[in-house]
Amino acid sequence: SQTIHQWPATLVQPVGSPLSLECTVEGTSNPNLYWYRQAAGRGLQLLFYSVGIGQISSEVPQNLSASRPQDRQFILSSKKLLLSDSGFYLCAWSRAGGWGGEQFFGPGTRLTVL
Amino acid sequence: AQSVSQHNHHVILSEAASLELGCNYSYGGTVNLFWYVQYPGQHLQLLLKYFSGDPLVKGIKGFEAEFIKSKFSFNLRKPSVQWSDTAEYYCAVINMEYGNKLVFGAGTILRVKS
Repeated sequence: SQTIHQWPATLVQPVGSPLSLECTVEGTSNPNLYWYRQAAGRGLQLLFYSVGIGQISSEVPQNLSASRPQDRQFILSSKKLLLSDSGFYLCAWSRAGGWGGEQFFGPGTRLTVL
Repeated sequence: AQSVSQHNHHVILSEAASLELGCNYSYGGTVNLFWYVQYPGQHLQLLLKYFSGDPLVKGIKGFEAEFIKSKFSFNLRKPSVQWSDTAEYYCAVINMEYGNKLVFGAGTILRVKS
């Protein structure tokens, strides 16, 4: 069966510090991968998605970037965090080719920027 | 822009009350529809989905949803809620002609009083 992992689970960082959040998927090959930010009352905002190694699409301009160095690894990064980057970040995967669009979500990372 | 509207952000019900959460989306064409649920402290998980066929779909834990194409709606229902249904519910839509991106509604927080 497939599983998705995210770490860390929680993170407190000062403004201006770098960020690296990691997501890995097990039990499937060539998944589509997604980063979302979840905000209260605003649903899930898609930040980045990837259909393959090194292929990243950005949905909204922002202070964050994403990379996919391996087939089942997706990393969310920032060189200098802003207060507004605080939030709950979710990674998700779907089967290659979309398969109807169903996505499977990780446990999330709670990021607090002070 | 494609959008998904969930009509109520907070709903409070007593146990055994009936539930209906509204969801409307803004675009035509072929769509796949989903309801996701996030119980306190747990992953976002799939509650039910509609791809094609019978517009009344049944999901886990006694939930069902009806796709009404003419109304661009996919409302979630449960005849009798339980305290354990307390959670946040998200409607999501994917337009298969536009690739693999799910568009989420803002979410509805349901609290069931015991």
